[in-house]
Amino acid sequence: GESVGLHLPTLSVQEGDNSIINCAYSNSASDYFIWYKQESGKGPQFIIDIRSNMDKRQGQRVTVLLNKTVKHLSLQIAATQPGDSAVYFCAENSGGSNYKLTFGKGTLLTVNP
Amino acid sequence: GAGVSQSPSNKVTEKGKDVELRCDPISGHTALYWYRQRLGQGLEFLIYFQGNSAPDKSGLPSDRFSAERTGESVSTLTIQRTQQEDSAVYLCATKGGSNTGELFFGEGSRLTVL
Repeated sequence: GESVGLHLPTLSVQEGDNSIINCAYSNSASDYFIWYKQESGKGPQFIIDIRSNMDKRQGQRVTVLLNKTVKHLSLQIAATQPGDSAVYFCAENSGGSNYKLTFGKGTLLTVNP
Repeated sequence: GAGVSQSPSNKVTEKGKDVELRCDPISGHTALYWYRQRLGQGLEFLIYFQGNSAPDKSGLPSDRFSAERTGESVSTLTIQRTQQEDSAVYLCATKGGSNTGELFFGEGSRLTVL
């Protein structure tokens, strides 16, 4: 869920487990959603996206699920690896082709070897 | 390099001073965005440039903040009379012509206002 102040939601998993990171988005008019990964000291990096006419999209080891009814987005990471440790942000687009994205607060994923 | 380059990577300044942050975009990327990221927070949109169109300044928090970009070249974000609440990482991102929301981010400029 969402956090207040400096405390990010955190998820700690064992290497090899599957991870599920959740996000509630705010704008029912948003038609496009993206997950970004941010490693410490770096800028966010695109992982996967999904448009509102879909409810599931798969990439390499990642799956994004979209539930527009409850405005919920999730990112599933299969066989989580230590290199997956990072902060994960969901972002929504309601700005058309400008892609002026609105980012969530992020979830810190820690993968224990 | 081939990525978005930002400078300085770290800036410590005194309250009341002006600072200028620079972003060198990926060549050919027409769209450029500035975001602010406070400690432990998500990214707040500040300003968006697209080619030679008028910029979308709707995210700038006050008139102390301004940004410039000429065409598809370097952008600078200026913060005048800095305040302690301006302390954050300022991220620049650019986007190519694909019809996706894949923004390419720089590593950011960490600003600390004492």
